[in-house]
Amino acid sequence: SQTIHQWPATLVQPVGSPLSLECTVEGTSNPNLYWYRQAAGRGLQLLFYSVGIGQISSEVPQNLSASRPQDRQFILSSKKLLLSDSGFYLCAWSQGQGDQPQHFGDGTRLSIL
Amino acid sequence: SQQGEEDPQALSIQEGENATMNCSYKTSINNLQWYRQNSGRGLVHLILIRSNEREKHSGRLRVTLDTSKKSSSLLITASRAADTASYFCATYNNAGNMLTFGGGTRLMVKP
Repeated sequence: SQTIHQWPATLVQPVGSPLSLECTVEGTSNPNLYWYRQAAGRGLQLLFYSVGIGQISSEVPQNLSASRPQDRQFILSSKKLLLSDSGFYLCAWSQGQGDQPQHFGDGTRLSIL
Repeated sequence: SQQGEEDPQALSIQEGENATMNCSYKTSINNLQWYRQNSGRGLVHLILIRSNEREKHSGRLRVTLDTSKKSSSLLITASRAADTASYFCATYNNAGNMLTFGGGTRLMVKP
């Protein structure tokens, strides 16, 4: 069966520090991968998605970047965090697109001080 | 911008009652999905209804879709305290590579 791992679960970082969040998927190949951010009590905002290694699409201009160095690995990064980067970050995968459900990790709660 | 908008934003009911949540969307769709999120956790896919379907059931869940009104509803029958969560509708864009979520309905089921 397929599983998705996302870590760390919580992270407290100072303003201006770098960020690296990692997401890995097991049990499937060539998945579509997604990074979302969720503000408290709100819906999800799509940040990045990837349909293959090295292929990244960005949905909103921001302080963050994403990379996909391996088929089932998706990394969210920042060189310098801002206060506004605080939030709940979720990674997800789907097999194919269009009518496929997305499967989510348990998220990373990021607090910027 | 959000494709789907859920209504109500929050709903509080007693255990055993039915819970109905509504979702409206703006553009034509191939399918609509419903997800559940427990507090502090990731989303879990509940059910997908295609544009040529009007109603779909899964256990205590019943989803309806009215493409003429661009709306969908999620009914949870005989609710349980464990159903307490946020529920989101979501639709794909025309290219099928981006899923857009509504703001969600926060459901609280009191024991």
